[in-house]
Amino acid sequence: DTEVTQTPKHLVMGMTNKKSLKCEQHMGHRAMYWYKQKAKKPPELMFVYSYEKLSINESVPSRFSPECPNSSLLNLHLHALQPEDSALYLCASSHGITDTQYFGPGTRLTVL
Amino acid sequence: QKEVEQNSGPLSVPEGAIASLNCTYSDRGSQSFFWYRQYSGKSPELIMFIYSNGDKEDGRFTAQLNKASQYVSLLIRDSQPSDSATYLCAVNGNNFNKFYFGSGTKLNVKP
Repeated sequence: DTEVTQTPKHLVMGMTNKKSLKCEQHMGHRAMYWYKQKAKKPPELMFVYSYEKLSINESVPSRFSPECPNSSLLNLHLHALQPEDSALYLCASSHGITDTQYFGPGTRLTVL
Repeated sequence: QKEVEQNSGPLSVPEGAIASLNCTYSDRGSQSFFWYRQYSGKSPELIMFIYSNGDKEDGRFTAQLNKASQYVSLLIRDSQPSDSATYLCAVNGNNFNKFYFGSGTKLNVKP
């Protein structure tokens, strides 16, 4: 089973809202990732958790706040987003940080 | 210089032909190389990974790695219209654990 699940599939929010994206995997992977993907562009790495510790933060604005409650779950908390933050947000996981990454289906976020 | 470079395409091939997708990378110490397929509006799906120089075959797909020349390619034999998608090359960096994606090559397989 190489399934990574993400909820919600679609999210529309205003610039003053607070929302969270969720990601879950039950493959025993110890590395989890958040990517942002704009149309016709490759995924851009945002955050990496390795053994539940944040190991990479690619200078992402503070309006994005990651959280890894346990080895199976990854959240991305959103607050005061801008319209340019509208994108597909992808979660991925891998056994270790140098291993094959498996992607979830993504959350399509629209900020009004 | 980008870490991973791909021709954006589109690459158009007739059904049944061989599609050849190419990728070059800048970090000579890179160890792991991946090809992902992404349909419009969907998430990337792993097609193949390769670690060693040479060819690796899986069904209609063959990945080729040449570390000396720093390129990796993907051949798709007997191309089908359902293969029409964007193909992303990804490379795992050496010292660090960064996963670099190329910008992707859009493949169109014409019936």
